[in-house]
Amino acid sequence: GIQVEQSPPDLILQEGANSTLRCNFSDSVNNLQWFHQNPWGQLINLFYIPSGTKQNGRLSATTVATERYSLLYISSSQTTDSGVYFCAVDEWYGNKLVFGAGTILRVKS
Amino acid sequence: NAGVTQTPKFRILKIGQSMTLQCTQDMNHNYMYWYRQDPGMGLKLIYYSVGAGITDKGEVPNGYNVSRSTTEDFPLRLELAAPSQTSVYFCASSDREGYGYTFGSGTRLTVV
Repeated sequence: GIQVEQSPPDLILQEGANSTLRCNFSDSVNNLQWFHQNPWGQLINLFYIPSGTKQNGRLSATTVATERYSLLYISSSQTTDSGVYFCAVDEWYGNKLVFGAGTILRVKS
Repeated sequence: NAGVTQTPKFRILKIGQSMTLQCTQDMNHNYMYWYRQDPGMGLKLIYYSVGAGITDKGEVPNGYNVSRSTTEDFPLRLELAAPSQTSVYFCASSDREGYGYTFGSGTRLTVV
């Protein structure tokens, strides 16, 4: 099955700093999503982005499907951005997502 | 609009006991899913459903069963609980294209 690798595994930032999280996947995908899991365990959908670029406030994401990677950009980080960021993909139609291991982000004030 | 609601939030089971994790959504999504998340790991798909009366196995289905009698409800049944089933379980739903992927708040299950 498809493999999903996320980097870096851990990231510590000072409040206000910018960061880039990367997701590599091993095969063509029809669905790619980014999720944020907050420190209380709640999973929030950030982006549905199988290709192209999207922006939502301080967050933006780019997926280069032909090169099999996606990037999540966080600008002007805040302590509330802390948590785990997951990339998840599905190579077939049906939305059965395969998750990466995640990037643990800690933003210090 | 409640989204996806899971009950219970916490449960401790003894080895060999059975239980049902409840999941209901009010977004009229056809697609529903059950995932488990082990400590420090990503989520793994247990079962999914593309509509009422239709279910299929995911990556880790052994030890679990599901049913989908209505669009709104997608319960997960654990038979003969084992310590390996200690995990956090998440239910989710989405529309056909994968938009609006919404997770419930999770059920933390411990089997002792």
